[in-house]
Amino acid sequence: DGGITQSPKYLFRKEGQNVTLSCEQNLNHDAMYWYRQDPGQGLRLIYYSQIVNDFQKGDIAEGYSVSREKKESFPLTVTSAQKNPTAFYLCASTSRGYNQPQHFGDGTRLSIL
Amino acid sequence: GENVEQHPSTLSVQEGDSAVIKCTYSDSASNYFPWYKQELGKGPQLIIDIRSNVGEKKDQRIAVTLNKTAKHFSLHITETQPEDSAVYFCAASTDTGFQKLVFGTGTRLLVSP
Repeated sequence: DGGITQSPKYLFRKEGQNVTLSCEQNLNHDAMYWYRQDPGQGLRLIYYSQIVNDFQKGDIAEGYSVSREKKESFPLTVTSAQKNPTAFYLCASTSRGYNQPQHFGDGTRLSIL
Repeated sequence: GENVEQHPSTLSVQEGDSAVIKCTYSDSASNYFPWYKQELGKGPQLIIDIRSNVGEKKDQRIAVTLNKTAKHFSLHITETQPEDSAVYFCAASTDTGFQKLVFGTGTRLLVSP
């Protein structure tokens, strides 16, 4: 089945530690996105990538980094500079074309130890 | 930038009743309006979307209406069922080469048997 796979489902971070969240898609989509979801809030855009080896900051990029070395993969690193990392992180992708729908993975829940 | 407001934040209905969720947007250039359903611990799933050249779209028990003049759009669910219970998000986007979705804060719908 085609889709977006996020791993791990749950992740714990120690103080001062960087952690990396995985996002893989087999939909042959060009664009990929990372969102953060906090209780009672909508999804907020962290980073996005329209093509391989290119990505741009979203609205809340501070304390996060990404890479896009392969079309299928868009990992997100939550660095120690992100002081409030506890949240539900969602990855999405969309195909090339005008107003194509975004498809989401099932998320990674990150918590602080 | 775009701002999307969503109401109500919670909605309780009896099985078989209709449910209506409303969103307003601020950027008159927005031209794509998807609705997502999110179940607990899962990623959002697209349930219906509408583009600015259409005033209404229907898919079985779900319909979306768009009023561009008033800058608001609504999700209508008829003959609600317990499995419709979830959090629903609206979003708006101006696709000018890159689709950036701005999300509402979500509506928790509870359908009681």
